[in-house]
Amino acid sequence: NAGVTQTPKFRILKIGQSMTLQCTQDMNHNYMYWYRQDPGMGLKLIYYSVGAGITDKGEVPNGYNVSRSTTEDFPLRLELAAPSQTSVYFCASRPRQQGPPTEAFFGQGTRLTVV
Amino acid sequence: QKEVEQDPGPLSVPEGAIVSLNCTYSNSAFQYFMWYRQYSRKGPELLMYTYSSGNKEDGRFTAQVDKSSKYISLFIRDSQPSDSATYLCAMSALTGGGADGLTFGKGTHLIIQP
Repeated sequence: NAGVTQTPKFRILKIGQSMTLQCTQDMNHNYMYWYRQDPGMGLKLIYYSVGAGITDKGEVPNGYNVSRSTTEDFPLRLELAAPSQTSVYFCASRPRQQGPPTEAFFGQGTRLTVV
Repeated sequence: QKEVEQDPGPLSVPEGAIVSLNCTYSNSAFQYFMWYRQYSRKGPELLMYTYSSGNKEDGRFTAQVDKSSKYISLFIRDSQPSDSATYLCAMSALTGGGADGLTFGKGTHLIIQP
């Protein structure tokens, strides 16, 4: 069981370039999330999705876009990369369930450096 | 004041010591409290999950929640070098199937010295 898979693991971008961070999960989870993690700053929510075709902004969405065409995939698009977007990006998913929040499963992360 | 406060450390203790990790929070709507463990260059993994106030024990790990003080703790007994990691507290006010993401603390970097 692969769980949540992120690609690439590492990337260096030049200022102004664009790229897409890929995220795929094979657990049939409805909910998917993108977080960024800066040193000493914890995880900040960028975007999330409750199912195919539905996305919503999190705490820090500026400079990013997402789409959710299938249950499995939740790509994150960076347009016009800036040094402030240098971070580690984590994708997570969890099943939809009535009652208490369910466990979120995280990918291994994508380390992005913008120079 | 940030919603969740957590000392980033690093916290360095000798092997076998009891470790206490803590978070404070300001949002009284938080009901679900979690501890995630993150090894270097890996994604976070759920370690403990508690609801409302009280204690929960799982092997060497004990999670405590004091909602009246807005304070949560994670205790690690007989600490091992393999416990060296960053520990993130996370909280949610969700009930019944909402999808908003968790609110995380900054994480405490723990080092267990052999």
